[in-house]
Amino acid sequence: GNSVTQMEGPVTLSEEAFLTINCTYTATGYPSLFWYVQYPGEGLQLLLKATKADDKGSNKGFEATYRKETTSFHLEKGSVQVSDSAVYFCALRKGYNKLIFGAGTRLAVHP
Amino acid sequence: DTGVSQDPRHKITKRGQNVTFRCDPISEHNRLYWYRQTLGQGPEFLTYFQNEAQLEKSRLLSDRFSAERPKGSFSTLEIQRTEQGDSAMYLCASSFSGESNYGYTFGSGTRLTVV
Repeated sequence: GNSVTQMEGPVTLSEEAFLTINCTYTATGYPSLFWYVQYPGEGLQLLLKATKADDKGSNKGFEATYRKETTSFHLEKGSVQVSDSAVYFCALRKGYNKLIFGAGTRLAVHP
Repeated sequence: DTGVSQDPRHKITKRGQNVTFRCDPISEHNRLYWYRQTLGQGPEFLTYFQNEAQLEKSRLLSDRFSAERPKGSFSTLEIQRTEQGDSAMYLCASSFSGESNYGYTFGSGTRLTVV
């Protein structure tokens, strides 16, 4: 079946450090891929998406590239801020079907 | 209407009691989804509606759970005879069926604690 695997957290970084959160997926065909972010006490917000191989999604300095050959969609940011501290979820969706989420990766950025 | 609204934000109930949550989706969205999120885990799909029709239910949705969307607008999720294992964040999301490549818009969730 379809599934998403994320690197375990927490990831702890200093401000301005480089961030990578790994995400790999298992799916038949060509799913759409997403990163969602959840700030403390809030719901999930769509951060970025990619709908086909080699697409790069980007938003707020974050980016992720849809790599079909490695079935990956790693999230990166060149310089994190304290305000980026949150839980990040990788997810996939096949056509009009439901979103399937990974377990989430907590990011803590300290000054 | 600027987003998906869920009510209440928090609910504490005694084991064995019934609880009902409400979700108001974005008005133009015809699809509505319920997810459950437990601590340290990603959201797990429970069920979804297209307009008023409930099109899919997860095996996670036991007989104690029922969801409705009577007029294709707001939805309710009821849990009967709550158990401690039902303690979780219940998330509602909505989307438009014509946007297959987009994610959903989520509400802030209802946090249920069963004591």
